[in-house]
Amino acid sequence: DTAVSQTPKYLVTQMGNDKSIKCEQNLGHDTMYWYKQDSKKFLKIMFSYNNKELIINETVPNRFSPKSPDKAHLNLHINSLELGDSAVYFCASSRTGDYTGELFFGEGSRLTVL
Amino acid sequence: GDSVTQMEGPVTLSEEAFLTINCTYTATGYPSLFWYVQYPGEGLQLLLKATKADDKGSNKGFEATYRKETTSFHLEKGSVQVSDSAVYFCALTLSGYALNFGKGTSLLVTP
Repeated sequence: DTAVSQTPKYLVTQMGNDKSIKCEQNLGHDTMYWYKQDSKKFLKIMFSYNNKELIINETVPNRFSPKSPDKAHLNLHINSLELGDSAVYFCASSRTGDYTGELFFGEGSRLTVL
Repeated sequence: GDSVTQMEGPVTLSEEAFLTINCTYTATGYPSLFWYVQYPGEGLQLLLKATKADDKGSNKGFEATYRKETTSFHLEKGSVQVSDSAVYFCALTLSGYALNFGKGTSLLVTP
């Protein structure tokens, strides 16, 4: 059983298109995250949701819009894709109240914008 | 802001060599500290953690000790294997919500 699963794993698209990445976790966690990893492997948090409420919203272009229909799902929609959006996007989850902050990551979704 | 700084890579070692990857942190309080590992083509997974000063985290032969006096959490392993080749990330959290990651250190172990 995959704990944190993301789809699609690979996404190749043209500039200007709109795309979505979906994430689901079956760990019973109530906090979920999106991280972006650039070509140099640098990981930067984008968003975090706790029980469907946005709690972290880093400086990210408003072309990126997260949506959490329930606490097991956190999707990422990207409008008007740009070349600089090419990266690997990781979804993660954690348990609220676990103040050690351990995160469980998905395998990543590699987005390539041409 | 709260952050971690880890040594630049890539680090190339021969099998059975001793590994140290340095990590220092800056934080306004008392963070929890982590090492995560990312194997090629995979997501990150927790390697070890420490939640308070002088705690030692250990897993799979790797160790790191939370040193408040030097604000450090260096990763060590006495004898690396080819299968340890991966990218290693130091990270911290104060809130328990999000982790702030270092830039990652790539390790290549050769036979």
